[in-house]
Amino acid sequence: DIQLTQSPSFLSASVGDRVTITCRASQGISSYLAWYQQKPGKAPKLLIYAASTLQSGVPSRFSGSGSGTEFTLTISRLQPEDFATYYCQQRNSYPVTFGGGTKVEIK
Amino acid sequence: EVQLVESGGGLVQPGGSLRLSCAASGFTFSDHYMDWVRQAPGKGLEWVGRIRNKANSYTTEFAASVKGRFTISRDDSKNSLYLQMNSLKTEDSAVYYCARPRSYDYYMDVWGKGTTVTVSS
Repeated sequence: DIQLTQSPSFLSASVGDRVTITCRASQGISSYLAWYQQKPGKAPKLLIYAASTLQSGVPSRFSGSGSGTEFTLTISRLQPEDFATYYCQQRNSYPVTFGGGTKVEIK
Repeated sequence: EVQLVESGGGLVQPGGSLRLSCAASGFTFSDHYMDWVRQAPGKGLEWVGRIRNKANSYTTEFAASVKGRFTISRDDSKNSLYLQMNSLKTEDSAVYYCARPRSYDYYMDVWGKGTTVTVSS
């Protein structure tokens, strides 16, 4: 199985900050990676797919990059509504796997 | 409006069984693969399994943690997805989401609100 390791698992940031979250895969997954945002008590929401393509309707302050085994999600200027938990997910091979999550909290 | 609505969650004893349902609307259900994803209290997301469409013989894939205990089925005439859970363990307690992988790249772009399963004596 492909393991996805996210770092950090928790980060505290202020509105307006630039935030970067890393997702490392245990083996190469090309660009078959997505990022999801989840708020408490809600279902996950697809933000980015194919490592760097913004899902329709997602603000442009979100961006993704990487390929192979290392990927990043960047929020250029953190907004109040961005405080949430973020997960990466690979679809390169079965079983589909998710990273452990990164919780972004208000400093 | 594209929508997925799960139902069937509840309290069940260890070793028991439960069947979850997911009602789909607003899209051509029969064209899509469908997934189940779960989230234990305070934990991250865990993919449970997938069922492919008729064109791909309704074949299934499962996470190792549920293989042999859970089955996924669908009724395209009813736009419905099912998760049959047998031999339930306390560690199966979670919110269970159904999710729709997109037909062209299989990223999960539509999610239900989830249904809660609690396995406890």
